[in-house]
Amino acid sequence: AQRVTQPEKLLSVFKGAPVELKCNYSYSGSPELFWYVQYSRQRLQLLLRHISRESIKGFTADLNKGETSFHLKKPFAQEEDSAMYYCAPPNNAGNMLTFGGGTRLMVKP
Amino acid sequence: SQTIHQWPATLVQPVGSPLSLECTVEGTSNPNLYWYRQAAGRGLQLLFYSVGIGQISSEVPQNLSASRPQDRQFILSSKKLLLSDSGFYLCAFFLGEFNSPLHFGNGTRLTVT
Repeated sequence: AQRVTQPEKLLSVFKGAPVELKCNYSYSGSPELFWYVQYSRQRLQLLLRHISRESIKGFTADLNKGETSFHLKKPFAQEEDSAMYYCAPPNNAGNMLTFGGGTRLMVKP
Repeated sequence: SQTIHQWPATLVQPVGSPLSLECTVEGTSNPNLYWYRQAAGRGLQLLFYSVGIGQISSEVPQNLSASRPQDRQFILSSKKLLLSDSGFYLCAFFLGEFNSPLHFGNGTRLTVT
């Protein structure tokens, strides 16, 4: 089964500090992973995906096959980054899609 | 473009009462549809998914059921609500293309009193 784990339920940092939200995966096959974000009073939405190699709102995520990780990073956190972040495996028709447990990021002024 | 609608936004129901949450998708056909529950401190839990009309899958025994009476309609139901059913329920769809993301509705906040 495709599974991801997020070891931290809550991460609190000060504005301007670096941020790393951890995600580890444990399944075979091509690990094309996603990060979703849910800001306060907004719907859960895609933040970025591994296959796109993109940087969104200053966030990047590098796939480390040796460590089986897909950590989300930002060098300088902003208060508006405060949100709930979920790591997720790729979607395949009919699969039970199991998200990571989520990490709440709080950026303090 | 595709859109997803979920209602109601909030709901307060007494224990033992029935439940019906509705989700519809526009702008596409034959999407995969999902119901998730987001409980405080417990992340996202997949409740049901459907790959077609009348096809419902779930591996989580619970007090809830789901139905897909039409291609783009997904309903979450309960005959008798429990206090433990309180939570934030999210509907989502997926177009079936590899590496496409899930698209979520705005969610329903259910409080069982």
